[in-house]
Amino acid sequence: EPEVTQTPSHQVTQMGQEVILRCVPISNHLYFYWYRQILGQKVEFLVSFYNNEISEKSEIFDDQFSVERPDGSNFTLKIRSTKLEDSAMYFCASSLKRASGGTNTGELFFGEGSRLTVL
Amino acid sequence: DQQVKQNSPSLSVQEGRISILNCDYTNSMFDYFLWYKKYPAEGPTFLISISSIKDKNEDGRFTVFLNKSAKHLSLHIVPSQPGDSAVYFCAASAGAQKLVFGQGTRLTINP
Repeated sequence: EPEVTQTPSHQVTQMGQEVILRCVPISNHLYFYWYRQILGQKVEFLVSFYNNEISEKSEIFDDQFSVERPDGSNFTLKIRSTKLEDSAMYFCASSLKRASGGTNTGELFFGEGSRLTVL
Repeated sequence: DQQVKQNSPSLSVQEGRISILNCDYTNSMFDYFLWYKKYPAEGPTFLISISSIKDKNEDGRFTVFLNKSAKHLSLHIVPSQPGDSAVYFCAASAGAQKLVFGQGTRLTINP
């Protein structure tokens, strides 16, 4: 069964360092997402990406964050200068269709997450 | 941001009985609702969804009910099995790609 894969599974970094989290979405999917979950809190939307550009982003996704799809398979999240509060589990997700009403399912398939610890 | 709320942080159910997980939302623009299941150290796994044009969707042991007037949805699992023990997240979308998640309910199925 196709799946979303993420690397690394766990990264520890010093505050102020740059971090790149990598994701390989399901191959025929068209929409890509990053979500995060701070320990004990809800899963939060960061950004969605379609047709090689950001289609929506949350207020969390400030100038320190960027996403890229450098080739046909990888989808990356970069945090330029990490802060303590960036410590979280980061989930990549992909979908074939846009999540919307009607008969369109549009469910997101999530990777297993990358745990980022900022010291 | 409390647009999607799961008021029960945990639920314990006997194996074989029905599990009912509840979710409330405030945004009347939501038109698509999903339930995800999450095991520790894994990403959320899609379970079942429902469009706002329906009030019920069933898939095997899982049924989702939507009450638009009450802005409430529920997930029924029957019969409950030990492998169903996990954290269940309700999520909603307002015609965009972003899903808004609830805080999750930890379901424990007791043998």
